[in-house]
Amino acid sequence: AQTVTQSQPEMSVQEAETVTLSCTYDTSESDYYLFWYKQPPSRQMILVIRQEAYKQQNATENRFSVNFQKAAKSFSLKISDSQLGDAAMYFCAYRTSGYSTLTFGKGTMLLVSP
Amino acid sequence: GAVVSQHPSWVICKSGTSVKIECRSLDFQATTMFWYRQFPKQSLMLMATSNEGSKATYEQGVEKDKFLINHASLTLSTLTVTSAHPEDSSFYICSARDTSKTPTDTQYFGPGTRLTVL
Repeated sequence: AQTVTQSQPEMSVQEAETVTLSCTYDTSESDYYLFWYKQPPSRQMILVIRQEAYKQQNATENRFSVNFQKAAKSFSLKISDSQLGDAAMYFCAYRTSGYSTLTFGKGTMLLVSP
Repeated sequence: GAVVSQHPSWVICKSGTSVKIECRSLDFQATTMFWYRQFPKQSLMLMATSNEGSKATYEQGVEKDKFLINHASLTLSTLTVTSAHPEDSSFYICSARDTSKTPTDTQYFGPGTRLTVL
């Protein structure tokens, strides 16, 4: 069974600084997708970024980028120029290609201070 | 695009009653929808996968007779909590896959429903 591990229950960052959230996963599959979702206090899950395992290039979305290390089964999220609105719970998720369900990590609470 | 709504956003009910939660994909068709349960400060736990026109697939440990799921159309799935008890109090979230787009691997989430059973 696939597992997703987020080893940082909580992280803190100051506005305008950069923070990296860690995620590792365990799978025997070669084709899969990885995601980072953000859940702010409103509890609405918001897709931050996605990565296809077959792509070597790391995905980026504005201030958000990932460091995807397939051999190490690592998928970290880097948030640059942090903003107060980035404060939220961040979930790393995995999905096997061809299978629709997501496996979530336990989440990392990101605190952003002025 | 890819908006998913849930109704109601918050419901309080008495123990023993049934509660229905609706999940709608507003601007796309969703052949597959998912229902999650989330306890405070915890991750999402998948309860079941709902496929339009067929029976839902429940995860291990989820009571099928207690959590009834119906996916009668391409834009609507419902979760009915039958004979609710206080331990069913939780935050329920649905998601849907937009299979008309490429890639089709992305799930879009509803805003969630907070259920409180007294």
